[in-house]
Amino acid sequence: EVQLVESGGGLVQPGRSLRLSCAASGFTFDDYTMHWVRQAPGKGLEWVSRITWNSGTITYADSVKGRFTISRDNAKSSLYLQMNSLRAEDTALYYCAKDRGYSNHIIFGSWGQGALVTVSS
Amino acid sequence: DIQMTQSPSSLSASVGDRVTITCRASQSISNYLNWYQQKPGKAPNLLIYAASTLQSGVPSRFSGSGSGTDFTLTISSLQPEDFATYYCQQSYSTLYTFGQGTKLEI
Repeated sequence: EVQLVESGGGLVQPGRSLRLSCAASGFTFDDYTMHWVRQAPGKGLEWVSRITWNSGTITYADSVKGRFTISRDNAKSSLYLQMNSLRAEDTALYYCAKDRGYSNHIIFGSWGQGALVTVSS
Repeated sequence: DIQMTQSPSSLSASVGDRVTITCRASQSISNYLNWYQQKPGKAPNLLIYAASTLQSGVPSRFSGSGSGTDFTLTISSLQPEDFATYYCQQSYSTLYTFGQGTKLEI
């Protein structure tokens, strides 16, 4: 069974940094592209970033480009999101998601339970 | 960026009803369209991918159709556990955008 467990969320002041982690199990981690997707309180879903299996391709949403950095450690089956220069509008539940791996489609096949990031002074 | 617009934004229905939710893309996305269900306090769950392929384990009362710019998610006979928010998502272009969601209520 696929399991994705996020950690590292919390309350942080504007302009500060935070690092999220996602521990994966139940599948061959280094076979899959991984993503971060966020959801502001009471709002819809927003894709944040993706990283391919070998970190060869990394993509970001315009809203976080230049401030967030996605990375992975295949030896530890872990995904990370380094968030710098945080803003109030970054307040959200951050989900780690595993790509389903279907042709060249991007499909969020499995999700973690989310890590809450609150940016406030 | 490709914009995804769902309609309606909310929908009231009853157990046993047939329900259709529509998702429209701002440009053609072929069949690069997925549907998710999200219940309160839970992570989203994949229902349909590539416009019409049912994810393993998802009940057959869910179906998807469409290609190009117009897509539909149909629930053939609503069950109590289907009351949730539904999102479409495109993967035709990078910046994988979601629709705003459709809240299905009793």
